[in-house]
Amino acid sequence: DTEVTQTPKHLVMGMTNKKSLKCEQHMGHRAMYWYKQKAKKPPELMFVYSYEKLSINESVPSRFSPECPNSSLLNLHLHALQPEDSALYLCASSQDFGLVAFFGQGTRLTVV
Amino acid sequence: GENVEQHPSTLSVQEGDSAVIKCTYSDSASNYFPWYKQELGKRPQLIIDIRSNVGEKKDQRIAVTLNKTAKHFSLHITETQPEDSAVYFCAASNNAGNMLTFGGGTRLMVKP
Repeated sequence: DTEVTQTPKHLVMGMTNKKSLKCEQHMGHRAMYWYKQKAKKPPELMFVYSYEKLSINESVPSRFSPECPNSSLLNLHLHALQPEDSALYLCASSQDFGLVAFFGQGTRLTVV
Repeated sequence: GENVEQHPSTLSVQEGDSAVIKCTYSDSASNYFPWYKQELGKRPQLIIDIRSNVGEKKDQRIAVTLNKTAKHFSLHITETQPEDSAVYFCAASNNAGNMLTFGGGTRLMVKP
């Protein structure tokens, strides 16, 4: 299995909603990442987990809350988002730091 | 932190011609340089990568060159085909190897 799977593929949420994005990989990768990508822009790193521990938080607002329940799963909990948070949210994983990163297909989030 | 510049932002070529995309990076300690292809509405997919101990790498119609002294690396696509049309992102891994910094992207259009 060489896939990083993200659910849902599309999500529309109101500014008062609470929702979660999910990411799963079964490649035995120890590093997992959340990226945010706006239209016509490169992916921007949000969080990095290494061996299930948060190692990098790129000054992301607290309305985004990551969670790594185990080595295969990565969640992103969303609360009180703003319309400008609408974007494609990409999960990625790599065997270790500095190695090839595989991306999931992303969740296209729209905040209304 | 690392800064990656990518040029050109758009590139239009005739089918069968070659395409070259160039990137420069700022952190001389960076040691891993992947290239991703992203088709409209899809995930970034790794197409080729190079490490700092190698000057050139080739995979069929795609090649990457790295000049560590000048801190730049380039993607070369020969015999372009319409299905090569996509946005291409270069990236550089920081010296800790725990995050990728992406260039701004190049929209490649291959005209049949």
